Amino acid sequence: QKEVEQNSGPLSVPEGAIASLNCTYSDRVSQSFFWYRQYSGKSPELIMSIYSNGDKEDGRFTAQLNKASQYVSLLIRDSQPSDSATYLCAAQGGSEKLVFGKGTKLTVNP
Amino acid sequence: GAGVSQSPSNKVTEKGKDVELRCDPISGHTALYWYRQSLGQGLEFLIYFQGNSAPDKSGLPSDRFSAERTGGSVSTLTIQRTQQEDSAVYLCASSPQGDSAFFGQGTRLTVV
Repeated sequence: QKEVEQNSGPLSVPEGAIASLNCTYSDRVSQSFFWYRQYSGKSPELIMSIYSNGDKEDGRFTAQLNKASQYVSLLIRDSQPSDSATYLCAAQGGSEKLVFGKGTKLTVNP
Repeated sequence: GAGVSQSPSNKVTEKGKDVELRCDPISGHTALYWYRQSLGQGLEFLIYFQGNSAPDKSGLPSDRFSAERTGGSVSTLTIQRTQQEDSAVYLCASSPQGDSAFFGQGTRLTVV
């Protein structure tokens, strides 16, 4: 069973802090990884994708991938109350099927 | 349209009735997913279509649930003899081959 594991949280950080969200995956052949954000009552939306080891930065967001450790993370710098949402990690394996984690709920306190 | 379209957006049905939920994926996307999400819960995978391959039905919770995808495009999720525990938001997503998925706005199903 190919799985993606996330700490369900909730994770609470003060405004302006760095939020760190973590994810591990079990399928070693996974090549592509994605972070989605889901606001309450809304559908998930893609915010970051990462395909190779290392860091990928996009504005206040940095995705980190370590394939040897089967570990993906998302850092949100200068967290804002508008970042409060559930963050879903997804891995895409050999069958190209996306497998999602259960999500981590983030609250950014003003 | 530019995005994944689902209909209806809301459906209220009586216990025991059959329902059909529709998903129009983004044009050209070869993969299509159905998920279910209960209030405050994570995404529950239901079924995955990829091109002409046999669908991955491993997530369907019972034989009351079925889905088809006609002509590699539109998909219909059918729930027979609905039960109250079927009440949830049903999400459809599509993706180009080997890339990330884009979600529709979902169908909120309420079984009374």
